[in-house]
Amino acid sequence: DQQVKQNSPSLSVQEGRISILNCDYTNSMFDYFLWYKKYPAEGPTFLISISSIKDKNEDGRFTVFLNKSAKHLSLHIVPSQPGDSAVYFCAASEARAGSYQLTFGKGTKLSVIP
Amino acid sequence: KAGVTQTPRYLIKTRGQQVTLSCSPISGHRSVSWYQQTPGQGLQFLFEYFSETQRNKGNFPGRFSGRQFSNSRSEMNVSTLELGDSALYLCASSLQGAGANVLTFGAGSRLTVL
Repeated sequence: DQQVKQNSPSLSVQEGRISILNCDYTNSMFDYFLWYKKYPAEGPTFLISISSIKDKNEDGRFTVFLNKSAKHLSLHIVPSQPGDSAVYFCAASEARAGSYQLTFGKGTKLSVIP
Repeated sequence: KAGVTQTPRYLIKTRGQQVTLSCSPISGHRSVSWYQQTPGQGLQFLFEYFSETQRNKGNFPGRFSGRQFSNSRSEMNVSTLELGDSALYLCASSLQGAGANVLTFGAGSRLTVL
């Protein structure tokens, strides 16, 4: 039972255009969401996060949108750059006393074409 | 400030052997988590330690175990290795290990089981 789903295994975008990566979740107890970026042979790197009390969070070229009613979040990268080519993981957590874990999606491989 | 350090980076074992992986968290971080990444499965939670206590465990067989030392360093052990244990094992640390916290990952230990 996959609680966090990234339905697009891959995405190709032209340099300078917008990249939109999508993520759906099923567990209504999730209240904190994160995006990680992963290059080959490296560990995932934190990119941006959003709390369930917000619907948008921006950090430079990266914006995350959260639609709680639809249990959907998306990551927008504008403008996309070749260095953004990586695998992007969506992750979620719930505030539970005495425990902490992230539930990850399977990732979306973004290719930004120069 | 030094990041999360995992050793060894690469190792090859044969079926039936056991393996121990090591993780040194960021200084001051008391929560250490372990994740397994396999192709097509994303990152799957193994367990989380906080102040030398295992607080949470994922859905993995008992062959997978871990521990945390008083200096927050952690080890994970896999006994009676199977071919399907071939994966990238990622360690992550966080300050509190609760709520809206960001995990910082190491580069991982790539295990190949022959």
